[in-house]
Formats: sequence, C-alpha cells, structure tokens
Amino acid sequence: GAGVSQTPSNKVTEKGKYVELRCDPISGHTALYWYRQSLGQGPEFLIYFQGTGAADDSGLPNDRFFAVRPEGSVSTLKIQRTERGDSAVYLCASSLRQEAFSGANVLTFGAGSRLTVL
Amino acid sequence: AQSVAQPEDQVNVAEGNPLTVKCTYSVSGNPYLFWYVQYPNRGLQFLLKYITGDNLVKGSYGFEAEFNKSQTSFHLKKPSALVSDSALYFCAVRAEGGSQGNLIFGKGTKLSVKP
Repeated sequence: GAGVSQTPSNKVTEKGKYVELRCDPISGHTALYWYRQSLGQGPEFLIYFQGTGAADDSGLPNDRFFAVRPEGSVSTLKIQRTERGDSAVYLCASSLRQEAFSGANVLTFGAGSRLTVL
Repeated sequence: AQSVAQPEDQVNVAEGNPLTVKCTYSVSGNPYLFWYVQYPNRGLQFLLKYITGDNLVKGSYGFEAEFNKSQTSFHLKKPSALVSDSALYFCAVRAEGGSQGNLIFGKGTKLSVKP
C-alpha cells in the first residue's frame, strides 16, 4: 500500500480482556517496528522484525505482550489480560531492509492504534 | 544507557523568525541521530538524520540540524518559520552497533508558530 496502515484506529476495552492490533506495512518493506506512545511522551520501542522473525523484542514490557509476523508482511501485536496502564497509542512503522542494516533507520510510521483500557 | 533530552516542552516563534528546537543525547559510541515530526492525527514523519560526515545536515521542508559532538547536541533549526511548521517534534538516537530497530526518542517539543 501507499503507507503504513494500522487497524483499528481506536480500541476501547475492559481490564482483563484480550486485544489484537494489526499493522500492514508498506509493500516491499521487510523491516517492521512496534512502538508505544503514552500521553506526553515520545515513542517507546517494543519490538522489531526483520522478515518473519523478531530481531529484537527487548522492549516488550512483559509476557502479556506478543507480536507475530508470520508471512513477513502484516504484523499483529497481541496483548493479553489488558491493564489500565496499557492505555496508549500503539505505533507501527516499516523500513526497507537495506536501510535497516545500514543503520539509516528511516522509518515510515502509521497513524497508530489508540488503546483505552477501562 | 542511551537517552535523549529535549529540554523545552514548547517553543513559540513568530512566523518569519528563525527557530531552534533543542536536543541533547547520551550514547555509548558513535550516535545515529534523527528528527521526526508529528502532526495531529497523523503518523510521525522523518525529517532528517545524521549518521556520519558533515555536521550540518539538511532535511525536509527547509529544516536543518547541526551535530555537535563535544556538546552532545543535535539541535533542529530553520531560518524562517512558517505557521504550517506548528507540530510536535521528536529527536531520536541509536548507538552505532546497537539494535537496528531500537530508536530512543525524546519526549517531544511542541512548536507553535504564530502569524
């Protein structure tokens, strides 16, 4: 697609529920990133995929958070037993493989999925 | 530990005047430095980056930034501000040799340009 697409744009759920957030990267971008942005803060790294594998998942806060990218394109961020502290905007970004390895890190971000846990 | 500081929560500038948005960083080794801009209800957009070479980097929309190794700074500048430049600006850093995907972002600086 023309840009990074994230769905849903807005999700309201109750504490303890399971949530899935979807990211559709730019066609041809093999690197995919998930970040989380809390109110008044900068984006915080969660996980980075190169192809189908997670190259770095050091930012996932705990084992309630999991992400997959089974075919190397679309990715799903999964949050189990949601807590009020999980409320944030979840950002997905993608970049070209070459840029990722060269360190250039020119990420193209989606508009984000706003998660509210009541 | 790597970190980025944007000391100003907000910068107010009159249209036509020069603007500066400040950023300092802390990283082990050589830094890769970036500026991104966030408009309301839109995703972050890349403005410019410093990897190596000339300390003055030119980017999109007439913005530039100067890498200063001794002061560990990477301030964003523009000679003449436009009202349309009003947005949230984020500085980010990654250490050379660090995780390719793990950018450390500052808290952001809100730029307000008045006519």
